[in-house]
Amino acid sequence: RKEVEQDPGPFNVPEGATVAFNCTYSNSASQSFFWYRQDCRKEPKLLMSVYSSGNEDGRFTAQLNRASQYISLLIRDSKLSDSATYLCVVNKGDSSYKLIFGSGTRLLVRP
Amino acid sequence: DAGVTQSPTHLIKTRGQQVTLRCSPKSGHDTVSWYQQALGQGPQFIFQYYEEEERQRGNFPDRFSGHQFPNYSSELNVNALLLGDSALYLCASSARITGTDYGYTFGSGTRLTVV
Repeated sequence: RKEVEQDPGPFNVPEGATVAFNCTYSNSASQSFFWYRQDCRKEPKLLMSVYSSGNEDGRFTAQLNRASQYISLLIRDSKLSDSATYLCVVNKGDSSYKLIFGSGTRLLVRP
Repeated sequence: DAGVTQSPTHLIKTRGQQVTLRCSPKSGHDTVSWYQQALGQGPQFIFQYYEEEERQRGNFPDRFSGHQFPNYSSELNVNALLLGDSALYLCASSARITGTDYGYTFGSGTRLTVV
């Protein structure tokens, strides 16, 4: 089983749509959770951290369910510029300093 | 405030050759992690350096080695290159004191092609 699993997509949605991505992780000791965004042939960039209480940043909402070891990202009112790959990222846990990346979910927003 | 800088941006090497990639971390960061990203995959952890020592290592062979200098910059060396080593190599920096609390900051990467 992969340490971090994501649906690769692609998710093809019209502008203005709401889209949700899910991610599961295997290590219950993980303590830090993130969503990164990666544009084609560019480096990953931090989109947002994910907290147990859930957090929102504009059109983006992230949720964490520790019991189910599940992370989600919701994008409302999708823009063309949201087209990218979204990477679910988890720290290894057990006092590890290592971040583990999922394979990413590709989003295509069409006019 | 300079972010993470990597060099070179692109590189073409022949099988069996050796390559050295370089990274300067973001100002205020003292920890450098290296990742390999193959096409269509997420970044895979190679190793992490702190205080000039390798602190953690992923599932990569000994052909992959690294170094960290007193100014926190780092090098990734790959010996006996294989075609399968073709990938985007990403350097990520962070501060030891915050660990993974705030994620990593990535450089723009070195795209290595082995022919």
